[in-house]
Amino acid sequence: QVHLVQSGAEVKKPGASVRVSCKASGYTFTGYFMHWVRQAPGQGLEWMGWVNPNTGETKYAHEFQGRVTMTRDTSISTAYMELSRLRSDDTAIYYCARVYSADDPFDIWGQGTKVTISS
Amino acid sequence: DIQMTQSPSTLSASVGDRVTITCRASQRISIWLAWYQQKPGKAPNLLIYKASNLQTGVPSRFSGSGSGTEFTLTISNLQPDDFATYYCQQYNIDATFGQGTKVEMK
Repeated sequence: QVHLVQSGAEVKKPGASVRVSCKASGYTFTGYFMHWVRQAPGQGLEWMGWVNPNTGETKYAHEFQGRVTMTRDTSISTAYMELSRLRSDDTAIYYCARVYSADDPFDIWGQGTKVTISS
Repeated sequence: DIQMTQSPSTLSASVGDRVTITCRASQRISIWLAWYQQKPGKAPNLLIYKASNLQTGVPSRFSGSGSGTEFTLTISNLQPDDFATYYCQQYNIDATFGQGTKVEMK
């Protein structure tokens, strides 16, 4: 069975950085893009960007450029999303989601990682 | 950037009703449109892709239509398990989600 299992909840102070992991199983990790989406409390879904696990290529949404870094470790089938210079409005649930190609939707999602920014 | 606008934001309905949610794109996206269902505390779940294709395992009471800039999600014979929030998403260029439609019990 295909699964994306994310790391646990985080509490960070403003100005700090957070790294969320997403471990894939049940499929060929390098055969699918990994996207990241976040959802602030009571709000909708916001796309953050993607990493190609095969090549390491990334693309980020304009809103996060300069603050987000998406990487992967193919040896352990894990993708990472690091967000820096955290602000209170970065408090959200962060999801990873698998995509086969640019012509495909997000078919498998991780369970989400709650990130709380609080002084 | 492509903006996605859903309507209504909230929809009150009863079991057995036929429900329609609309999604409009700010520019043409062909058929690169997906619909997701999200329940509280859970990740979104893919229902429809390429505007009208039913994802494996999704009940046939869900259907999607449209192309270009106007799309609809229809739930026929609404079931208790269908009360949730629904999001459209374009994946023609990067990805953008609509603001969501909450289907609540009347």
